[in-house]
Amino acid sequence: AQTVTQSQPEMSVQEAETVTLSCTYDTSESDYYLFWYKQPPSRQMILVIRQEAYKQQNATENRFSVNFQKAAKSFSLKISDSQLGDAAMYFCAYRSAEGNEKLTFGTGTRLTIIP
Amino acid sequence: GAGVSQSPSNKVTEKGKDVELRCDPISGHTALYWYRQSLGQGLEFLIYFQGNSAPDKSGLPSDRFSAERTGGSVSTLTIQRTQQEDSAVYLCASSLIGGTSGSHEQFFGPGTRLTVL
Repeated sequence: AQTVTQSQPEMSVQEAETVTLSCTYDTSESDYYLFWYKQPPSRQMILVIRQEAYKQQNATENRFSVNFQKAAKSFSLKISDSQLGDAAMYFCAYRSAEGNEKLTFGTGTRLTIIP
Repeated sequence: GAGVSQSPSNKVTEKGKDVELRCDPISGHTALYWYRQSLGQGLEFLIYFQGNSAPDKSGLPSDRFSAERTGGSVSTLTIQRTQQEDSAVYLCASSLIGGTSGSHEQFFGPGTRLTVL
């Protein structure tokens, strides 16, 4: 079974600064997808960024980028120019490329933005 | 278009009562998922529907939990004889399987917060 680990329960960053959230995972599969989801107090899970394991290039979405290290099974999220609206719980998630479509989530990192 | 909707938003019930939670997926989405989020925890997979069939119900924690989906659309998660440990946020998600994107992005609803007294 796959597992996802987020070792930072809480993180804080000054507004406009850069912060990196860590995620590691364990799998025996070679093809899969990785995701970062944001969950604000409204509870709505919002997809921030996705990475296909077969792609070596790190995904980027505006101020959000990932550092995907397949051999190390590491998938960190970097948020640049942090904004107050970035405050939320961030979840790392794994999905196999075959068979079961379910997402396996980490336990989350609560990000606080300091004005 | 409309996103995934869930009802009720909040539900308070007494231990031993049955509850039904509803999910309306995005129109045209063939896949539907239920997850449970306990306080301070990540999301735990419960069940996955492809159309009206549930090829994976391995995450249902006990036989008190059941789910169905009708018409390839609305799904209902039923919890019988609720227990205090069932208190959690129940999230529903839907995705379009077979689209051009292999990642099959899951779109989540706002969840139902269930409190069992």
